[in-house]
Amino acid sequence: GAVVSQHPSWVICKSGTSVKIECRSLDFQATTMFWYRQFPKQSLMLMATSNEGSKATYEQGVEKDKFLINHASLTLSTLTVTSAHPEDSSFYICSARRPGGSNTQYFGPGTRLTVL
Amino acid sequence: QKEVEQDPGPLSVPEGAIVSLNCTYSNSAFQYFMWYRQYSRKGPELLMYTYSSGNKEDGRFTAQVDKSSKYISLFIRDSQPSDSATYLCAMSLNTDKLIFGTGTRLQVFP
Repeated sequence: GAVVSQHPSWVICKSGTSVKIECRSLDFQATTMFWYRQFPKQSLMLMATSNEGSKATYEQGVEKDKFLINHASLTLSTLTVTSAHPEDSSFYICSARRPGGSNTQYFGPGTRLTVL
Repeated sequence: QKEVEQDPGPLSVPEGAIVSLNCTYSNSAFQYFMWYRQYSRKGPELLMYTYSSGNKEDGRFTAQVDKSSKYISLFIRDSQPSDSATYLCAMSLNTDKLIFGTGTRLQVFP
């Protein structure tokens, strides 16, 4: 299967600081990447769709000024959680859609964010 | 009503058992159906991908889609302790957005 990496795998930060999470597709070019959030024992909730070279599309209820997404190249998308608060603590997972006609998404290993 | 319903489990079975995991959905327009396996504190791993109706087999895994009943299944034959994980169904229209079930936690004991 395709390989998608995320960095860092976990991060602890103080309330009010910003945290950047990187998502990379290692063996294919992804024009579209996705950012999800997962709370304990819950399913994945799509936050936004990241398109290379254009603005991200955010799901309803997701603050675009708080969760900044940049998709600067075909293999890298970043999510920056700005002015983080304890309620932003969660498991953030990215995925990349493999080109070729199917709708298959390959997921990264996730980043666990804890805001103190 | 949620778009995708999935029994959260946990489902506990002995090693070697046949496991049946299911999801129902409400949107008849869904065309793409997927099963992902997620180990604790890891990202989901794609197991099976099916377009429209029918069956698909890959090793010990069989995916079934019944669009008339809006029901999908994943069967695991000869289950192993290493199959213990959360299994997520996901589906989508012709767009990129995946709608996930809540996941079923499976435990296979030796």
